[in-house]
Amino acid sequence: DTEVTQTPKHLVMGMTNKKSLKCEQHMGHRAMYWYKQKAKKPPELMFVYSYEKLSINESVPSRFSPECPNSSLLNLHLHALQPEDSALYLCASSQEGGYDGYTFGSGTRLTVV
Amino acid sequence: GESVGLHLPTLSVQEGDNSIINCAYSNSASDYFIWYKQESGKGPQFIIDIRSNMDKRQGQRVTVLLNKTVKHLSLQIAATQPGDSAVYFCAERRRPNDYKLSFGAGTTVTVRA
Repeated sequence: DTEVTQTPKHLVMGMTNKKSLKCEQHMGHRAMYWYKQKAKKPPELMFVYSYEKLSINESVPSRFSPECPNSSLLNLHLHALQPEDSALYLCASSQEGGYDGYTFGSGTRLTVV
Repeated sequence: GESVGLHLPTLSVQEGDNSIINCAYSNSASDYFIWYKQESGKGPQFIIDIRSNMDKRQGQRVTVLLNKTVKHLSLQIAATQPGDSAVYFCAERRRPNDYKLSFGAGTTVTVRA
């Protein structure tokens, strides 16, 4: 299995809702990432987990809460989002410090209304 | 700010011609570079990578060239096909064993039939 699987593919939520994005990989990668991508822009790093511990938080607002339940799963919990948080949320994984590329999922297209 | 950027935001190529996509970086300590292709509505797809101790690497129809003297990276696509139409991002890892990838702004390639 050489894929990163993200669910759901599309999500529409109100500003008072709580929702979660899910990501799964079975490549044995020990680093997992959340990226945010706005239209016509490059991906921007949000969080990095290494060996199931949060390694990097790129000053992301607390309304985004990551969680890594085990080495294969990564969640992003969303609460009280703003319309400007609408974007494509990408999950990625990699071998720690390796040179084997970073594998991205297809993303969750999030719309906040 | 970003240290990786592309010279041209758009590139129009005749089907069957070769494409060259350029990327400049500013961090001489960067040790690893990746080219990604992103089609509309999808996540970035790994194309090819190169380590800083190499000058050239070839894949199927693609070649990456790294010129460390001028901090320049390029992606060459041979015999460009309609399926090559996408946004292409270069990404840079600024330090060995670092988790973070820094992405360039992206080049939108359009293949003319």
